[in-house]
Amino acid sequence: QQQVKQSPQSLIVQKGGIPIINCAYENTAFDYFPWYQQFPGKGPALLIAIRPDVSEKKEGRFTISFNKSAKQFSLHIMDSQPGDSATYFCAASNNNDMRFGAGTRLTVKP
Amino acid sequence: ETGVTQSPTHLIKTRGQQVTLRCSSQSGHNTVSWYQQALGQGPQFIFQYYREEENGRGNFPPRFSGLQFPNYSSELNVNALELDDSALYLCASSFASRLDIQYFGAGTRLSVL
Repeated sequence: QQQVKQSPQSLIVQKGGIPIINCAYENTAFDYFPWYQQFPGKGPALLIAIRPDVSEKKEGRFTISFNKSAKQFSLHIMDSQPGDSATYFCAASNNNDMRFGAGTRLTVKP
Repeated sequence: ETGVTQSPTHLIKTRGQQVTLRCSSQSGHNTVSWYQQALGQGPQFIFQYYREEENGRGNFPPRFSGLQFPNYSSELNVNALELDDSALYLCASSFASRLDIQYFGAGTRLSVL
């Protein structure tokens, strides 16, 4: 029961590029949309999150764009670095349920 | 590091056996959520425990059960293991029953042979 669809599955960019990862959700009861970063052998770590009352949120090099009517949101990574190479997951949650996308493996080449 | 610790880090079981995984939450957090992450997939929500009671459950059968203790640590129990139960099991802790800011442990890798 996939309630959050994430694309692309993998992404390769050059250092300094701006990778964009997209997600779409189905359940309009979701009210919190986080992005997680996961390195091999580690658990996911919260990167940035947004609520549906705003259309954009920026923290450092990471920006979330949110389109409530389309039920879509995306992550942009400005000035990407090789250290950003990881798997990124979008998620959507309400009070006591969280659904993750399938993940995007990002590779930033030096 | 998040302060969420899970044990063991790796485990090998055979089909039909039972397994118990353990999680110590971050100091001050009273809610624990468990997730199953199959290889190459995103985590799937199993259930959440808040104040020692189950407070939400994903699409997992009853053979997946849990406990939360007064010190907020938690256990995930899986009975009658199946091959498809092979996965990374993640525990995450948060404050109150919201999942707004939750911190994940490094997980337990379970292999069912």
